[in-house]
Amino acid sequence: DAKTTQPTSMDCAEGRAANLPCNHSTISGNEYVYWYRQIHSQGPQYIIHGLKNNETNEMASLIITEDRKSSTLILPHATLRDTAVYYCIVRGYGGATNKLIFGTGTLLAVQP
Amino acid sequence: SQTIHQWPATLVQPVGSPLSLECTVEGTSNPNLYWYRQAAGRGLQLLFYSVGIGQISSEVPQNLSASRPQDRQFILSSKKLLLSDSSFYLCAWSRGRDGHYEQYFGPGTRLTVT
Repeated sequence: DAKTTQPTSMDCAEGRAANLPCNHSTISGNEYVYWYRQIHSQGPQYIIHGLKNNETNEMASLIITEDRKSSTLILPHATLRDTAVYYCIVRGYGGATNKLIFGTGTLLAVQP
Repeated sequence: SQTIHQWPATLVQPVGSPLSLECTVEGTSNPNLYWYRQAAGRGLQLLFYSVGIGQISSEVPQNLSASRPQDRQFILSSKKLLLSDSSFYLCAWSRGRDGHYEQYFGPGTRLTVT
C-alpha cells in the first residue's frame, strides 16, 4: 500500500471550513484514499473514502487531484467536537483482510 | 445495528503477570476482526487480524497472542507482560467480504504495566 504524508498539526476557527491535505505521490491505479479520525482516548471513526472522483457525505467532502497524488479532506463548518487526529490511508481494493495501515495523522485543533 | 464491546476499559497489571483482553461484536456475522495498539502520542499499530474462527494472522512479533474461539469473539493475551506493553489497545471489526468495508472500532482498553 502507498505511503501518505500529512502535516503534523493544523488549527481552524470554529464555524470555518477545515481543509486537511494529504500527499500520496506513489499511489497506484487500484488504490483508494480513506480518511478516519480519532478523538482523544476513543477508537478511530471512518469518515469517507474515494478513488478519483470527489466524494461527499454527511460528515465531509473528499477532493482528489486529477493525478491522484494528493487529496484534501474538507470539514465545511468545523465545530469544537471536530478536534481530533485525522488519518489519511491509501489501500488497494479487495483482499480478504481489509487491513488498514495507520500513520501518525494530522492533529486538527478547532479554536473557539 | 452492530456494536462492538471491549473490556475492561482500564487495567493496571504488574510486570510478568498474564493478560487477557476481550472483544465481542454484536449484530453481524463472520466479521473480520482486528487488534491494534497505540502507544501514547503515537499512531495505531496493527497487531493481529482474523478472517474466521481459529484463523489468526500476526503483523508484529511480540509477546502477545490472539485467539478467536467464536465467530464474534476476539481475545488478546500475554503470558508475561512487559513494561513496554503499556498502551491503548483497540479492537475493530469490518465486514468479511472483499471490498470497501470500513472498520468500526471499540472503545479501547488502556493498559498500564507497572
